[in-house]
Amino acid sequence: AQKITQTQPGMFVQEKEAVTLDCTYDTSDPSYGLFWYKQPSSGEMIFLIYQGSYDQQNATEGRYSLNFQKARKSANLVISASQLGDSAMYFCAMRGTRGKLIFGQGTELSVKP
Amino acid sequence: DTGVSQNPRHKITKRGQNVTFRCDPISEHNRLYWYRQTLGQGPEFLTYFQNEAQLEKSRLLSDRFSAERPKGSFSTLEIQRTEQGDSAMYLCASSLSRDRKSSPLHFGNGTRLTVT
Repeated sequence: AQKITQTQPGMFVQEKEAVTLDCTYDTSDPSYGLFWYKQPSSGEMIFLIYQGSYDQQNATEGRYSLNFQKARKSANLVISASQLGDSAMYFCAMRGTRGKLIFGQGTELSVKP
Repeated sequence: DTGVSQNPRHKITKRGQNVTFRCDPISEHNRLYWYRQTLGQGPEFLTYFQNEAQLEKSRLLSDRFSAERPKGSFSTLEIQRTEQGDSAMYLCASSLSRDRKSSPLHFGNGTRLTVT
């Protein structure tokens, strides 16, 4: 069975600082993909970044980077230079060979001015 | 690309009534997913389609729930004999199936169901 665990229900970060949101996963699939989504208070789910299990390098997308440690089964999201607009729920998700995407419980990030 | 469209945005119904939601995916996307999300939780997988074929249905999904995608385009999710525990946001998403692991899901804005 596949499982995603996000152990930080809430996080605070000062504006302009970097923050790391934790995600660990469990799967028996040899090949899988890891995703991060942002959900602001308005409710829409916004795709941020993707990491493939066989990718040699950590994924980056602008201020977002994914710290992928395959042996530890972790895929932490790093947001650099936090902005007030980064305040939102953040979800880690995984997709295996069967195609469905499963989500963690989420981390609520609050950026302080 | 007009995005994933869901209707209605809100639905209030009385316990025991049936409700149906509609989802129109991004036009070139052949995969369509339904999720349920309650307050403070991550989206919970319900079912997904590739074209008109329903490929997987969550074992947690009661037989009161049924989904269809008859022509491989839009999809409907029906809940029969609604219960108060069905109150949630129902999210639809679509994606391409080629290189499926890396194709992100694009979500609609959801249908919020309240069962009184």
